[in-house]
Amino acid sequence: GEDVEQSLFLSVREGDSSVINCTYTDSSSTYLYWYKQEPGAGLQLLTYIFSNMDMKQDQRLTVLLNKKDKHLSLRIADTQTGDSAIYFCAVNSGGYQKVTFGTGTKLQVIP
Amino acid sequence: NAGVTQTPKFQVLKTGQSMTLQCAQDMNHEYMSWYRQDPGMGLRLIHYSVGAGITDQGEVPNGYNVSRSTTEDFPLRLLSAAPSQTSVYFCASSSLGAYEQYFGPGTRLTVT
Repeated sequence: GEDVEQSLFLSVREGDSSVINCTYTDSSSTYLYWYKQEPGAGLQLLTYIFSNMDMKQDQRLTVLLNKKDKHLSLRIADTQTGDSAIYFCAVNSGGYQKVTFGTGTKLQVIP
Repeated sequence: NAGVTQTPKFQVLKTGQSMTLQCAQDMNHEYMSWYRQDPGMGLRLIHYSVGAGITDQGEVPNGYNVSRSTTEDFPLRLLSAAPSQTSVYFCASSSLGAYEQYFGPGTRLTVT
């Protein structure tokens, strides 16, 4: 089945850019997502990208997709303390409901 | 809209006990699912449903039962709790064909 991997932890200073990386194994994936989980809460969809796109920008968020290397990244510009959370990469494979999640990257923003 | 609601928020069970985790959504979504979240393992799909009366197994279904008698509700039953089922459980819903799933706030379950 699909395998989605992320590093577990990232620490950045407030105002810097954060880059969270993700790799996946299924080249037939159609939708790729980034979810945010704040402490004690459920997951909230931040952004998504279709597999026929290379980049998507949404305000401070930039998603880059390298299909050849099966690599997805999320860049957060001007990172704020409110961005501290766990960020999950997720990949759709085998149908819209078969979404595989990565392990999550905990982003710590240092004031 | 309340979105996706889950009860209880926290639960402690003894090994062998049974219980039902409740999930409800008021968005008229056809698709509902249950995930468990464990440290270092991300979210894993337990069961899902594409409509009332239709359920199917996900990646880790053993030890769990589900049913879907209405569009709104999708309860998850633990038949005989085991310490390996200690986890945070999330319910999610979406419209069929939609790319976004809406998640509930989670139930933190501890089995001793």
